[in-house]
Formats: sequence, structure tokens, C-alpha cells
Amino acid sequence: DADVTQTPRNRITKTGKRIMLECSQTKGHDRMYWYRQDPGLGLRLIYYSFDVKDINKGEISDGYSVSRQAQAKFSLSLESAIPNQTALYFCATSGKGSLGEQYFGPGTRLTVT
Amino acid sequence: GNSVTQMEGPVTLSEEAFLTINCTYTATGYPSLFWYVQYPGEGLQLLLKATKADDKGSNKGFEATYRKETTSFHLEKGSVQVSDSAVYFCALRNTGNQFYFGTGTSLTVIP
Repeated sequence: DADVTQTPRNRITKTGKRIMLECSQTKGHDRMYWYRQDPGLGLRLIYYSFDVKDINKGEISDGYSVSRQAQAKFSLSLESAIPNQTALYFCATSGKGSLGEQYFGPGTRLTVT
Repeated sequence: GNSVTQMEGPVTLSEEAFLTINCTYTATGYPSLFWYVQYPGEGLQLLLKATKADDKGSNKGFEATYRKETTSFHLEKGSVQVSDSAVYFCALRNTGNQFYFGTGTSLTVIP
């Protein structure tokens, strides 16, 4: 089974709709992250959380919100989707320690029409 | 601030050619440096890492050396294969445990 899972894998929604992307991990990591990937722009950080009670805005948090329901779950919401939020969204986790590399989920492809 | 700059692609090479993908960084303090690889339709996977100056990360024939004096972490492979076709991302983790990624370099290896 994958260590970091994301649901749904693909979603098409209409402008103005609310949508939630979910992420679960079995790695036991405290730290979780949401990124979006756009062609030519690489990965940009939306929100991150270092534990259940810690939520931080990233580079591009406007139009997004998150919820850390448990250590293993971190969801991303678009309250009112707009077409320029069409992108590939990745969840990632990392553990404490000196190396602390990130582990990524398979991604959610979101299209807002 | 913190940032990562990597060479723009796409890069197209013949099988068994030598690969270099340049990466330079700006960071406060002493970051850890990473190369990630993304195969089509998949998430990013860690390829290699280095945590301090002069460390060399290596994996699957790829290498990169943490050069503090030039703030660089260039990715190299002596002989690429078709299966190496992917997008490669350079990244840093700063002392505040935040990650910064480059824009990615697409590599296509042709037989």
C-alpha cells in the first residue's frame, strides 16, 4: 500500500463550487504539506502543518483553506473554485530529524471549468 | 530569502550520453539539498540528498555534490538510459524546515 494517498485522483468541477482534496499517510510523520504544480512554475507551497495544532500559510494560500483532522490526515479545500486553480495538487509528508526529506502522494488533477 | 534556480529544459539526449542539470540556490543558514524525480503520471520521488557542504549524494548512477562556495548542487549521470526520461526537481530545506523547489527540468532520452 502507498505511504501517502490522495483522493480523488482526478476531479472536474465548475466555477464557484466547493471542493475538498484529501490526503492520508501511514508514515507516522508529523509534518504535512500541500503543493500545486503548474507547467513552468514547478511546485509552489499552499499550506503546511508541523503537527495537528499547527497550520501555516505557504507562498500561495489565497483561495485555499486546510484542515488537519489527525496526525495522518490533511485536507485542502477550495471554498469557491475558479479556473486558475486548475492544476496538479500534491500532498507531501516529512519526519523530524536531520534529513527530513519529503514523501509525496500521487497527486490530484483538478480542472475547474 | 530562499530560492532554487535550475536550468530550463527540455533536455533531449541520446542513450549513453552524459547528463548535467545545473542547480543553484539562495538560502540563509545551512540548508539541506535534494534532487527529486517525477515520472509521467506520478508524484515526486527522492532521488538523492546532501545535508552539508562537500557531501555527495548518489543513487541509481546519479550524483550531485553540495558546493557551498558556489551555492550549487548540479545533477550528473555518466550514461543516461531511456528509463531516465522524467522531470527532475532541485530542492532545498531550510533551517525552518520549509522546502523550496526549482521549476523542474524535463529530460527525454532517445534510443
